[in-house]
Amino acid sequence: KQEVTQIPAALSVPEGENLVLNCSFTDSAIYNLQWFRQDPGKGLTSLLLIQSSQREQTSGRLNASLDKSSGRSTLYIAASQPGDSATYLCAVNSGYSTLTFGKGTMLLVSP
Amino acid sequence: ETGVTQSPTHLIKTRGQQVTLRCSSQSGHNTVSWYQQALGQGPQFIFQYYREEENGRGNFPPRFSGLQFPNYSSELNVNALELDDSALYLCASTWGAGTSGANVLTFGAGSRLTVL
Repeated sequence: KQEVTQIPAALSVPEGENLVLNCSFTDSAIYNLQWFRQDPGKGLTSLLLIQSSQREQTSGRLNASLDKSSGRSTLYIAASQPGDSATYLCAVNSGYSTLTFGKGTMLLVSP
Repeated sequence: ETGVTQSPTHLIKTRGQQVTLRCSSQSGHNTVSWYQQALGQGPQFIFQYYREEENGRGNFPPRFSGLQFPNYSSELNVNALELDDSALYLCASTWGAGTSGANVLTFGAGSRLTVL
């Protein structure tokens, strides 16, 4: 059974800092890994999708890496801003388009 | 191209009642999945429908049931509501449900259910 763990559970940083969120998964037989953002009480916004054959994806200030063999992914956020405050969720797709999610990292960026 | 829309956005029920949540898939998508997200947790997979047939189910009891219609919209029904059913219910759609698994899910904004 696939299990996804995210560390840390919560993170508080001052504006401008670079930060790294971590995600690990137990079964390396995945098709892709996706990072989502969730604002309080809202749905999911897809940030980055990494296919199993890829090592990283970049979008603006966000960079996600994938090491499938070790079961790890990181989300790097450069020059954090207060608007980045949200919960970040990692999810792996092990087949049939169903996702297994971690519990998320709650990020607070203070001005 | 429209996204995934869900209704209602919020609702309150009492224990023992039944609830129906609705989802309209993104245009061109024929697969719908439902997820339950309890407070402080990540979403958990409930089930998936592909071409009106259930083709995958997570660890949820039979009182959680669903339907997918010919226009690929979907319903999630929960009978005999329990307090622990209070959660955000997310619908997601994609195209195809084969073993490639490479299709990207598009999520709706969710329906927040409170059971008193």
